[in-house]
Amino acid sequence: AQSVTQPDIHITVSEGASLELRCNYSYGATPYLFWYVQSPGQGLQLLLKYFSGDTLVQGIKGFEAEFKRSQSSFNLRKPSVHWSDAAEYFCAVGARNTPLVFGKGTRLSVIA
Amino acid sequence: SQTIHQWPATLVQPVGSPLSLECTVEGTSNPNLYWYRQAAGRGLQLLFYSVGIGQISSEVPQNLSASRPQDRQFILSSKKLLLSDSGFYLCAFFAQGRPEQYFGPGTRLTVT
Repeated sequence: AQSVTQPDIHITVSEGASLELRCNYSYGATPYLFWYVQSPGQGLQLLLKYFSGDTLVQGIKGFEAEFKRSQSSFNLRKPSVHWSDAAEYFCAVGARNTPLVFGKGTRLSVIA
Repeated sequence: SQTIHQWPATLVQPVGSPLSLECTVEGTSNPNLYWYRQAAGRGLQLLFYSVGIGQISSEVPQNLSASRPQDRQFILSSKKLLLSDSGFYLCAFFAQGRPEQYFGPGTRLTVT
């Protein structure tokens, strides 16, 4: 069965510290992989995506993610977190023209 | 460019009243369209998706229905709302030939 696991429900980091949000997936084939961000009361915004090729992908707002096939993981990273990065982050997997499968999300809090 | 609109942004309705939420997409033709619900503090639940006019697939049996009267219009309805229908409703689309999904701003529904 297709599934996405985001093991951390809530993470708190200090402003300026590095960040890594974990994502593990189970999928029948090599999927397309995505990270979305959701600010309170807003829709989801696409941060970055992986289809094929270079396993380290760059996204918007200074985020990057690395696809590791052997670990079925697609972790999101940022070297220095800003207070405006506080939000909910969703990992998703899928294939062309099929509904994406989403993780349950990780809420990021940023403290001064 | 492709954009997606949802309205209303917020809605407060009494139990037993009808519901109609609308979603429209611009800048693409024949998109795949999706309705999700997000309960407080929980992940995304796929409710319906459509691959063409009049074609609706339901993922979860419930008090809601969906319709697609035009190529870029997707409507979520209910004849009689329940308290459990409260939540944040998100519309999303895949542009033709693209594997990433784009989300609308959402509708906050409170059933009282």
